[in-house]
Amino acid sequence: DGGITQSPKYLFRKEGQNVTLSCEQNLNHDAMYWYRQDPGQGLRLIYYSQIVNDFQKGDIAEGYSVSREKKESFPLTVTSAQKNPTAFYLCASTPGQGSIFQPQHFGDGTRLSIL
Amino acid sequence: AQSVTQLDSHVSVSEGTPVLLRCNYSSSYSPSLFWYVQHPNKGLQLLLKYTSAATLVKGINGFEAEFKKSETSFHLTKPSAHMSDAAEYFCVVSDLTSGTYKYIFGTGTRLKVLA
Repeated sequence: DGGITQSPKYLFRKEGQNVTLSCEQNLNHDAMYWYRQDPGQGLRLIYYSQIVNDFQKGDIAEGYSVSREKKESFPLTVTSAQKNPTAFYLCASTPGQGSIFQPQHFGDGTRLSIL
Repeated sequence: AQSVTQLDSHVSVSEGTPVLLRCNYSSSYSPSLFWYVQHPNKGLQLLLKYTSAATLVKGINGFEAEFKKSETSFHLTKPSAHMSDAAEYFCVVSDLTSGTYKYIFGTGTRLKVLA
């Protein structure tokens, strides 16, 4: 079955450490997104990518970085500059940016906590 | 600016009674609207979408929503709640901002179903 795989499901970060969250999709989608979810705040956009080797900052990109070297993969690095990284991180994809009618497909998320 | 307002952060219903989750939006364009459901520690699953065809949209698991342009609303309903419906629900609008399609999320409504 096609879908989005996020790993790991749970991740712990030490002070001063960078950690990378994996997001892989086999839906052949062009566009991919990273969101952060905090209780009572809905989803906030961190980064998005419309095509390989291109990505744009979302609303809360500070302290995060991404790469898009392959169509299937869009890893998110939470750097030590992100002072409050504890949250649930969700990866999503859509076939492309050509239409606003396309719903997003989501992975099952990674829960990041500080040790 | 485009926005989505979910009018209730928590809703409680008894099993077998109707469900109403309210969503209002603002958009400069003719929007696409979506409802998603999220179970604990899971990603978001699409329930239904409005894409400017029929104003009454039927989704999965017996849910439906009606697009009312005059009221800028897209409320989610179900005739009879089931225990498995207990989850968090998100209303989302897809909009065109600075040449890019973005998805704007409401802050969510947590549905509790009482036995």
